[in-house]
Amino acid sequence: QQQVRQSPQSLTVWEGETAILNCSYEDSTFNYFPWYQQFPGEGPALLISIRSVSDKKEDGRFTIFFNKREKKLSLHITDSQPGDSATYFCAASEETNSAGNKLTFGIGTRVLVRP
Amino acid sequence: EAGVTQSPRYAVLQEGQAVSFWCDPISGHDTLYWYQQPRDQGPQLLVYFRDEAVIDNSQLPSDRFSAVRPKGTNSTLKIQSAKQGDTATYLCASSFNAETLYFGSGTRLTVL
Repeated sequence: QQQVRQSPQSLTVWEGETAILNCSYEDSTFNYFPWYQQFPGEGPALLISIRSVSDKKEDGRFTIFFNKREKKLSLHITDSQPGDSATYFCAASEETNSAGNKLTFGIGTRVLVRP
Repeated sequence: EAGVTQSPRYAVLQEGQAVSFWCDPISGHDTLYWYQQPRDQGPQLLVYFRDEAVIDNSQLPSDRFSAVRPKGTNSTLKIQSAKQGDTATYLCASSFNAETLYFGSGTRLTVL
């Protein structure tokens, strides 16, 4: 059962365009949604995150839009740069202080930014 | 501050062989996670520890996989008898309390 779904699987944009990555989830108890960025040969690194009490989170060129009712979120990368070429993972967890942060990851979206 | 350190970087073995992966988390991080990432897929949690205690190992194939964190610092993940289906990158991550997970670069395992 795939609890976190991502689309598209791959995405190509031109430098300067906006890339839009989609994510949906099934478990209503999920309340923490980080996006991780992974370059080849490296481990994933936290890019930006949002909690379910918010509907938008912005950090520079990266913005998360969150719709709790529809259990959907999206990551927008504005003014895309070739250095943004990477795989982006949407993840989710029921954040508790007592039991760690058990993240469930999607399959990822591979983004290629052409100069 | 040093990040999460994993070794070896690569491992290639025949089916039926054993292999161990080692992880040194970020100093002071109490929670340590092992994830399996098959090629072109997202990481999938195998097991995680809070200090030396196992919190969740429900996704760990217990007949062949084992993981320990005896002093609540470093951790070892072992595969007793590897299968071709175990081919993947094994990622270790650590966090303080339930906050951000920091990942190592992983061990890329190929089982022939």
